[in-house]
Amino acid sequence: QQQVKQSPQSLIVQKGGISIINCAYENTAFDYFPWYQQFPGKGPALLIAIRPDVSEKKEGRFTISFNKSAKQFSLHIMDSQPGDSATYFCAAKGEGAGGTSYGKLTFGQGTILTVHP
Amino acid sequence: DSGVTQTPKHLITATGQRVTLRCSPRSGDLSVYWYQQSLDQGLQFLIQYYNGEERAKGNILERFSAQQFPDLHSELNLSSLELGDSALYFCASSVAAGYNEQFFGPGTRLTVL
Repeated sequence: QQQVKQSPQSLIVQKGGISIINCAYENTAFDYFPWYQQFPGKGPALLIAIRPDVSEKKEGRFTISFNKSAKQFSLHIMDSQPGDSATYFCAAKGEGAGGTSYGKLTFGQGTILTVHP
Repeated sequence: DSGVTQTPKHLITATGQRVTLRCSPRSGDLSVYWYQQSLDQGLQFLIQYYNGEERAKGNILERFSAQQFPDLHSELNLSSLELGDSALYFCASSVAAGYNEQFFGPGTRLTVL
């Protein structure tokens, strides 16, 4: 119930195209869904996040779409650029059974995005 | 730069040894989290501290322990190291215990030979 499933594992997109990464979760106690971007040799960097009372959030070229009933959320990168090539992680946070998950982020397995020039 | 610092950047040691990883949170952040990143397990939550007290525990091995000091920096101690402990260890911090935004440090790469 604590898992977050992410797909695809890898994604190749041409410059200017749209990159779409999907995540699904089971635990309905999750109430915060961030996306992180990680470059090789660096720590994950918070990119954009959404709460389940909102169906979409946009920041620049990055958009999160959230479907509460389906327990799915996705990251859309518009006008993808070679500089966007990185590993992207979705995550979820919320109170778990017995209150033991307080503050914990549960991550998806990651998507390696390659944007070709 | 997230403002979270971690030392050392790299650590190479032998099986059976003990190491200490250090983390300084962003200025003003009271909560510190430790995560392990490996190829087969991905990013896994280990433990959370808030203002010096343990707040949440993940799948942290008994050989691992952590603490947060009065100046809010945190240390992760790994003992009786095994080959499988080789991984990237990240520290993250947030303003408060339940605050959503967590900011990650650059990590410590641990190699156990």
